[in-house]
Amino acid sequence: DAGITQSPRHKVTETGTPVTLRCHQTENHRYMYWYRQDPGHGLRLIHYSYGVKDTDKGEVSDGYSVSRSKTEDFLLTLESATSSQTSVYFCAIRRGADTDTQYFGPGTRLTVL
Amino acid sequence: SQQGEEDPQALSIQEGENATMNCSYKTSINNLQWYRQNSGRGLVHLILIRSNEREKHSGRLRVTLDTSKKSSSLLITASRAADTASYFCATEGYGNNRLAFGKGNQVVVIP
Repeated sequence: DAGITQSPRHKVTETGTPVTLRCHQTENHRYMYWYRQDPGHGLRLIHYSYGVKDTDKGEVSDGYSVSRSKTEDFLLTLESATSSQTSVYFCAIRRGADTDTQYFGPGTRLTVL
Repeated sequence: SQQGEEDPQALSIQEGENATMNCSYKTSINNLQWYRQNSGRGLVHLILIRSNEREKHSGRLRVTLDTSKKSSSLLITASRAADTASYFCATEGYGNNRLAFGKGNQVVVIP
């Protein structure tokens, strides 16, 4: 357990509504990541952060934005949710000093109707 | 992309048998990692092997890396029912601070 929590753990929403997922860490790590996991695709990186206010895009960033105003919190926002964004979302932190060993939160299951 | 791809995709074995999974990748790497995911849970880091290493052990896990073939294997010896999970390989390139994950191997260990 790397002190990572995600909220909410489950959410059902409707197409076109905004959704924000929260990742919270208690260990003051610099790097944080958001992934989505879908059957047949494994884990795909959405966005990541390398410090407060420092973020970068991953391979599937379209339709998502992120913010990191505090070290401990990394927010993922779907500005206008679509059914294709139905997925399980995982947050992770990097713990290794010289390697990108990542520790994952419990996940958020999002359903967009 | 450095995305790993595991082979086979699904494996069903009897308790006590060994389970072997393979992973291939496309470009040069700094290290390769294996993760386990139990149903409904987040991924858990198992083992990391650096590009200058050929073999590494951790408990019942053995990982090999062949950089000339751009492939890795994960061996779980004397499997247990608790090893039932999905296993993912992930590669880290040089200086890009991110991992590229494969699609995962589902392993079922039958008691």
